[in-house]
Amino acid sequence: DTEVTQTPKHLVMGMTNKKSLKCEQHMGHRAMYWYKQKAKKPPELMFVYSYEKLSINESVPSRFSPECPNSSLLNLHLHALQPEDSALYLCASSHNDRGRGPLHFGNGTRLTVT
Amino acid sequence: AQKITQTQPGMFVQEKEAVTLDCTYDTSDQSYGLFWYKQPSSGEMIFLIYQGSYDEQNATEGRYSLNFQKARKSANLVISASQLGDSAMYFCAMSKTSGSRLTFGEGTQLTVNP
Repeated sequence: DTEVTQTPKHLVMGMTNKKSLKCEQHMGHRAMYWYKQKAKKPPELMFVYSYEKLSINESVPSRFSPECPNSSLLNLHLHALQPEDSALYLCASSHNDRGRGPLHFGNGTRLTVT
Repeated sequence: AQKITQTQPGMFVQEKEAVTLDCTYDTSDQSYGLFWYKQPSSGEMIFLIYQGSYDEQNATEGRYSLNFQKARKSANLVISASQLGDSAMYFCAMSKTSGSRLTFGEGTQLTVNP
């Protein structure tokens, strides 16, 4: 079982909906990440939080809004999404953001925007 | 900038045989990390093995070993005694040890035949 838990596993939403993706880890990691992955492509980095502060935003549209309420939780708030935003959204964590050691990924949320 | 190249979109191997998945990289950094991840059709990204650029010995983890040839900038993954459960997409990735961005290759889809 993965040590990074993501909910929900699947999400279908309309373009006018507001929804949130949730991610939780209890490994004491201080860096958390959101990645977006389209089918048969590698994951693309969206956001990085380091010690609960946003450290990297890869020019992600404002309809995606990340939040890190504490060191164990990471949310991704979704609003007014487009059908092309349909993808697998992966959360990950690591000991810190200094690049040493692996990222641990969750199972992902499969998002479909209708 | 960092770049990862995986030249094998798909690979086939017979059960119980060994298989090598190729990965070459390009970077101007002296210090970096190399990773391999496995992604089954369920979507989870599973960390397999890590090699630091200053590690003198090749990394091994159970049936996985990383053939690290620094001068050739290659970091091939060797899976020994393939199992049906090894069928998945495999991603090679690298990071700067001073940063948190993980650069992925395009992936290799491995199929293990009975």
